[in-house]
Amino acid sequence: SYDLTQPISMSVALGQTARLPCGGNNIGSKNVNWYQQKPGQAPVLVISRDSNRPSGIPERFSGSNSGNTATLTISGAQAGDEADYYCQVWDNSAWVFGGGTKLTVL
Amino acid sequence: VQLQESGPGLVKPSQTLSLTCTVSGASISTGTYYWTWIRQPAGKGLEWIGRVYITGITDYNLSLKSRLTMSVDPSKNQFSLQLSSVTAADTAVYYCARDNHPIDYWGPGTLVTV
Repeated sequence: SYDLTQPISMSVALGQTARLPCGGNNIGSKNVNWYQQKPGQAPVLVISRDSNRPSGIPERFSGSNSGNTATLTISGAQAGDEADYYCQVWDNSAWVFGGGTKLTVL
Repeated sequence: VQLQESGPGLVKPSQTLSLTCTVSGASISTGTYYWTWIRQPAGKGLEWIGRVYITGITDYNLSLKSRLTMSVDPSKNQFSLQLSSVTAADTAVYYCARDNHPIDYWGPGTLVTV
């Protein structure tokens, strides 16, 4: 099965840029989606197909994907961005999620 | 588009977990989307369970496949999940969602305790 690796936790200072990695074997050849999940809530799609931002998602969220790493970038992080973030790919007729990164905004 | 999970919140070990997802704001019958289930044990990450299409075609997580059944009821605009022979390891919040490649709409989730 395909594995996606995410750091368990990361922190970013308020107003600074957070870059959350998602590692996978040749992940650059796949479409990567990113979800934000706040405590007690369902996940919300923030980036689809590597770099597409759904309607209603702030412009400070962006994504990239190349080689063995996909990255979710949050520019000018706000307190409300503190959450768990999951990357996801479709592989061998199944959705695969990364283990998730807990982002703390300091 | 809104989705809402329903079903027993408590299931005994070895029994079958059954959940239904009611969809509003979109018709399952159009055949545009797959309909999917995801679960999340307390304090842990997301696990994809499987998905079903209007025709009954399914894709399942291989680790759960032997215990899974998913179906669609277009007359009620609902889809369902059955997971047999449950154990404590199946205790989780279960989400239903629309699979538009990506998964774009989620239900609020329902806690099922075994």
